Amino acid sequence: AQTVTQSQPEMSVQEAETVTLSCTYDTSESDYYLFWYKQPPSRQMILVIRQEAYKQQNATENRFSVNFQKAAKSFSLKISDSQLGDAAMYFCAYRIASGAGSYQLTFGKGTKLSVIP
Amino acid sequence: KAGVTQTPRYLIKTRGQQVTLSCSPISGHRSVSWYQQTPGQGLQFLFEYFSETQRNKGNFPGRFSGRQFSNSRSEMNVSTLELGDSALYLCASSLERGTGSGNTIYFGEGSWLTVV
Repeated sequence: AQTVTQSQPEMSVQEAETVTLSCTYDTSESDYYLFWYKQPPSRQMILVIRQEAYKQQNATENRFSVNFQKAAKSFSLKISDSQLGDAAMYFCAYRIASGAGSYQLTFGKGTKLSVIP
Repeated sequence: KAGVTQTPRYLIKTRGQQVTLSCSPISGHRSVSWYQQTPGQGLQFLFEYFSETQRNKGNFPGRFSGRQFSNSRSEMNVSTLELGDSALYLCASSLERGTGSGNTIYFGEGSWLTVV
């Protein structure tokens, strides 16, 4: 079974600084997708960034970027120029690319990010 | 374009009762899935529907069921409610096919269920 581990339950960052959230996963599949979702106090899960496992290039979305290390099964999220609105729970998630289980996400336990003004 | 819409947003039920939650996916999305979020267990997959058929089910008892209608709208039902069923129930939808945004799952704001 696939598992996703986020080893940092809580983190904090100074406004305008950079922070990196860690995620590791375990899978025997070769083709899969990885995601970072943000869950603010409103509780709606918002997609932050997506990475296809077959792509070697790390995904970036404005101030958000990932460091995808397929061999190490590591998928960290870097937030640059942190803003107060970035404060939220961040979840790392995994999904296989095909087959019966390919439409379900497996989530980590989450990292609560606080942004200090 | 409208996002994933869930109703009701908040509800309180008594142990032993049943509850039905509704989800309208993003227009054009045919895959709808449900997740339960609790402080102890985190986010857990309940089930996923496509074209009115359940394709995948998580490790939940038979009290949890769902269905999907021809317009892709979905409902989930929990019978004989237990205190432990108190949770945020999240619905999500996706296009299913293709790469890029086609494989991304988008979430609604959730339905807060409290069982007393």
